[in-house]
Amino acid sequence: EADIYQTPRYLVIGTGKKITLECSQTMGHDKMYWYQQDPGMELHLIHYSYGVNSTEKGDLSSESTVSRIRTEHFPLTLESARPSHTSQYLCASWGGAEAFFGQGTRLTVV
Amino acid sequence: RKEVEQDPGPFNVPEGATVAFNCTYSNSASQSFFWYRQDCRKEPKLLMSVYSSGNEDGRFTAQLNRASQYISLLIRDSKLSDSATYLCVVNMFKTGNQFYFGTGTSLTVIP
Repeated sequence: EADIYQTPRYLVIGTGKKITLECSQTMGHDKMYWYQQDPGMELHLIHYSYGVNSTEKGDLSSESTVSRIRTEHFPLTLESARPSHTSQYLCASWGGAEAFFGQGTRLTVV
Repeated sequence: RKEVEQDPGPFNVPEGATVAFNCTYSNSASQSFFWYRQDCRKEPKLLMSVYSSGNEDGRFTAQLNRASQYISLLIRDSKLSDSATYLCVVNMFKTGNQFYFGTGTSLTVIP
């Protein structure tokens, strides 16, 4: 099993709230990624990181931000949640031969 | 144009059938290729990497044609447990190891 963890697994929150989705991996991987996936739809890359203090935006425009202060930790923050942010958020890390995914955070903004 | 395109599906096949999925990628500089499996409401998990010479893992065979920029996955003797969405994934060295996912092809194996 991959050692990459996301919390919370499920989150229901009101519009306008600030939220942080946590992602941690204990495999020492430098490259980490955040994807957004709506039910039955494809994954879209929203952020990635090559290592500590490196963050880049992905192909899908996102109102979220990320930080990478430690190798093992890659949190994603929404400053002001909106119903349009309702989706599943998947964190992944690259191990040289394979991408490992966390179990995802299913976010609902009401 | 999307970086990775897959058969739209869905595929509904009887148990024991052989089914093939196809995928094309647009960037000839793509480095690595994979098939991932995603069960409903779960995270994607690696099914198999795809090598230039083609590779097999039990009932699963993957092939890569770099000239045509084409990847395939063949599943023989389908089982009920094969029902899932199969994602074609391409890794590109544009600015770091970005992964590009196809839309996925849904497979349902029917008893």
